[in-house]
Amino acid sequence: QKEVEQNSGPLSVPEGAIASLNCTYSDRGSQSFFWYRQYSGKSPELIMSIYSNGDKEDGRFTAQLNKASQYVSLLIRDSQPSDSATYLCAVIKAAGNKLTFGGGTRVLVKP
Amino acid sequence: EPEVTQTPSHQVTQMGQEVILRCVPISNHLYFYWYRQILGQKVEFLVSFYNNEISEKSEIFDDQFSVERPDGSNFTLKIRSTKLEDSAMYFCARTTGQGAMETQYFGPGTRLLVL
Repeated sequence: QKEVEQNSGPLSVPEGAIASLNCTYSDRGSQSFFWYRQYSGKSPELIMSIYSNGDKEDGRFTAQLNKASQYVSLLIRDSQPSDSATYLCAVIKAAGNKLTFGGGTRVLVKP
Repeated sequence: EPEVTQTPSHQVTQMGQEVILRCVPISNHLYFYWYRQILGQKVEFLVSFYNNEISEKSEIFDDQFSVERPDGSNFTLKIRSTKLEDSAMYFCARTTGQGAMETQYFGPGTRLLVL
C-alpha cells in the first residue's frame, strides 16, 4: 500500500466550476497535511496546510481532513485556467520529519 | 520573494562526474531538506539537515551523496559520481513554524541532467 495516494487524473473541470481532489494516507501517526501546487518544470508551491479534523478555508481553496478515515481533500472553487497544474498531497508524521508526497493529481481547467 | 535560492538552475554533466548543488537561505535557518523529483514521478525525500548535522536520510541517500554547510550560510548537496538515474529536479526546502505546525517551503530547484 502506498503511503500517500492520489488519483493521477487528469481532472478536467470547466472554468468557474469546483474542482475536488482527494488524497488518502496509510500512516495513522501522520500529524500534518499539506497541499502543494506544481506547475510543469517548477517547484512545489504551498497552497494549504491543515492539522486538525474539519475544514479550513483560504480564499478559493478549502482543505478537509478526516483522520479517522485517513483522508484529506482539497476543493478549488471558481476554478480558473491558471489553476491548471498538478496538485500534490503531502503528509508529515511528526514535527521535523520529512514530507511524504503522493503522486499528484493533474487538473485541467478549460475556458 | 523566494524562501531560498538554488544554484545552478540547470546543470548538465557527464556520468561519473561530481556535481555540487547549492541552496542559499534568505534568512538564517537551522533546518533544511533536500528532495528530488525524477521526471514524471513523485517528489522524494533525500535528507534533512539540522544544526550542521544530518537528521534523517532516505534509502536513496547512499554513499554517493553528501550534504554540508561549508560557510555557515550556503547549504550544499554533493553527488560524488553521478549516474544516469540521478537526472532529476533537486529541491531544497526550509521550514517555518514549530512543532506540528511546521511547514516546508521549496526553493526553485536545480534541474540536473546526467549524460
